[in-house]
Amino acid sequence: QKEVEQNSGPLSVPEGAIASLNCTYSDRGSQSFFWYRQYSGKSPELIMSIYSNGDKEDGRFTAQLNKASQYVSLLIRDSQPSDSATYLCVVRETTDSWGKLQFGAGTQVVVTP
Amino acid sequence: KAGVTQTPRYLIKTRGQQVTLSCSPISGHRSVSWYQQTPGQGLQFLFEYFSETQRNKGNFPGRFSGRQFSNSRSEMNVSTLELGDSALYLCASSARMGEKLFFGSGTQLSVL
Repeated sequence: QKEVEQNSGPLSVPEGAIASLNCTYSDRGSQSFFWYRQYSGKSPELIMSIYSNGDKEDGRFTAQLNKASQYVSLLIRDSQPSDSATYLCVVRETTDSWGKLQFGAGTQVVVTP
Repeated sequence: KAGVTQTPRYLIKTRGQQVTLSCSPISGHRSVSWYQQTPGQGLQFLFEYFSETQRNKGNFPGRFSGRQFSNSRSEMNVSTLELGDSALYLCASSARMGEKLFFGSGTQLSVL
């Protein structure tokens, strides 16, 4: 079983709709959670980081964290064709900054006009 | 400010050879980490360095090694190359461990 699980997709979303991406992780002690976006042929770039239970909003993006359920999600509101990419869920294990980074396999999002 | 620089961009090797990849972090960044990305396995963590010391290591065989120099530049070495080592190798830097990662463009390694 992989440490970080994501649906691989592709997740097809109409333009203007909400894209909902889910991620579960196995290390109960994990404290830092990140969402990276990777366009085809490009390197990953950070979209959101979240450390506490609840929601964190940044523009059209909202990250949600539930440590009890070991679940983190990303919502993309008003999806645009430029949001078409692979979204990587990244979890840093343990309670300090020295823990290993675990990457999910990524969810491919396709926004259709 | 210059981004993360990885050299070379492309590399072709044959089985059994060894290879060294280089990564120059963003100026002022002291943490460097390495990743292997393949279509089948996704992005996998190799190792992470901070202040010239390896702080974390992923689940890769001992053929994969690395080091970080006093100027924070890092190198990754793969010895006795296997066909399965063909992948995109990404390097990322951050100001400190646990902070936002900035990725380089990667080195595409092909093992024939």
